[in-house]
Amino acid sequence: DVKVTQSSRYLVKRTGEKVFLECVQDMDHENMFWYRQDPGLGLRLIYFSYDVKMKEKGDIPEGYSVSREKKERFSLILESASTNQTSMYLCASSAPGQTFYSNQPQHFGDGTRLSIL
Amino acid sequence: AQSVTQLGSHVSVSEGALVLLRCNYSSSVPPYLFWYVQYPNQGLQLLLKYTSAATLVKGINGFEAEFKKSETSFHLTKPSAHMSDAAEYFCAVSFSGGYQKVTFGIGTKLQVIP
Repeated sequence: DVKVTQSSRYLVKRTGEKVFLECVQDMDHENMFWYRQDPGLGLRLIYFSYDVKMKEKGDIPEGYSVSREKKERFSLILESASTNQTSMYLCASSAPGQTFYSNQPQHFGDGTRLSIL
Repeated sequence: AQSVTQLGSHVSVSEGALVLLRCNYSSSVPPYLFWYVQYPNQGLQLLLKYTSAATLVKGINGFEAEFKKSETSFHLTKPSAHMSDAAEYFCAVSFSGGYQKVTFGIGTKLQVIP
C-alpha cells in the first residue's frame, strides 16, 4: 500500500514564524500535492510538483512556497505565518498516467492541523 | 474550466436505508471522476473512479456511482447504510492531459442514524 506520511499531526505556531510542513511518500510517485482543507470550502490546491525541483502554483499559493529536493519529499513553507493560515493541511501523491489519457487517484496523508496564534 | 458541485453539505440517513450523495460536474472535455471518503482525523481515501471504461462504477465498501453524461452527474449510492459509513465524502473531477490536477467538491457529511 502507498504510504504518505506527514511529519506532524498537530502544530501550533505564532504569527510571523516561518513554518515547515513535511511530507514523504514511499511509492516513487512523480506527482505530489499540498492542499488546505477548511469547513465549507473543501480542498483547495496550494502547490503541486510533477518532478524533482519542479513546482506549479495551485489555486491559492499566496503566502506559501514549496521545496522538492528529492522525489519522495515535498515540503510546504509558510514564509511568515498569519492567523488566516490556521487550517488542516493535506499532502497527496500520485503516479503519472500510463498514457496521455489516463489518470491516477491521489493518495493522501492523515493531515497536519496547524494553528497560528 | 472544470468544476464540481456537491448538493447538500450534510445528509442524514437511517441505518439500512439507501445512501444517495449527489455530484454534478462541469468540464469542457471528457472528465475523469472520483469519489473519496474521509473518516474523522484521517486523510482522504479513494472510494471509486470513473475513467470512461464503464458508466456504472463499483467501489469499496458496497458503494457505486453512475456516470451520466446527459445530466453531467456522478452520484454516489449504497443500497443499505451502515453506521461505519458515517464520514465526509468528496467528489472530484480531472481531465485528460496536464499534470493530474484535480478539482474537489466542498464535501458532504453523511450522518447515519441508528
